[in-house]
Amino acid sequence: DADVTQTPRNRITKTGKRIMLECSQTKGHDRMYWYRQDPGLGLRLIYYSFDVKDINKGEISDGYSVSRQAQAKFSLSLESAIPNQTALYFCATSPGPRDGRKLYEQYFGPGTRLTVT
Amino acid sequence: DQQVKQNSPSLSVQEGRISILNCDYTNSMFDYFLWYKKYPAEGPTFLISISSIKDKNEDGRFTVFLNKSAKHLSLHIVPSQPGDSAVYFCAASGYPDKLIFGTGTRLQVFP
Repeated sequence: DADVTQTPRNRITKTGKRIMLECSQTKGHDRMYWYRQDPGLGLRLIYYSFDVKDINKGEISDGYSVSRQAQAKFSLSLESAIPNQTALYFCATSPGPRDGRKLYEQYFGPGTRLTVT
Repeated sequence: DQQVKQNSPSLSVQEGRISILNCDYTNSMFDYFLWYKKYPAEGPTFLISISSIKDKNEDGRFTVFLNKSAKHLSLHIVPSQPGDSAVYFCAASGYPDKLIFGTGTRLQVFP
């Protein structure tokens, strides 16, 4: 079974609709992240959470909101979808600092391809 | 303001030869660098990393070099194999422990 799962894998929605993308992980990591990937722009951070009570905006948070329902679950919402939010969305997790060492490796889900028409 | 740059969007290499992927960064406070590999329809997967206190890290066919004075890192793949064909992202660790990703380089290894 995959350690980081995302649902749905593909979604087509209309402008103005509210949509939620969900992420679950079984890695036991405290830290979770949402990114979007656009051609020529790489991966850009939308929101991140270092624990259940800690939510932070990334570089492109406008038009998005998140909810950290539990250590293992982190959802991304588009309150009113617009066409330029058409992109590939990835959830990721990381263990954060352990035993005095910094561990930056992030583990990604398979992605959700979102199309807003 | 792109803090991590991959100036080559694509690279084509013959099987068995060396692939060299490059990455430049602007923030001298970055202290950890990573390379990720991404196949179509999959999420990126961690490949190799290097701390700023080192200038080289090797893992099998993959070696990452860091030149702090030039703010440049590179990934060497020797020998290149067709299965290495993918998009490669470099990333740098910023504050507070966020990763800043480059735009990616698509590597194609042909027979």
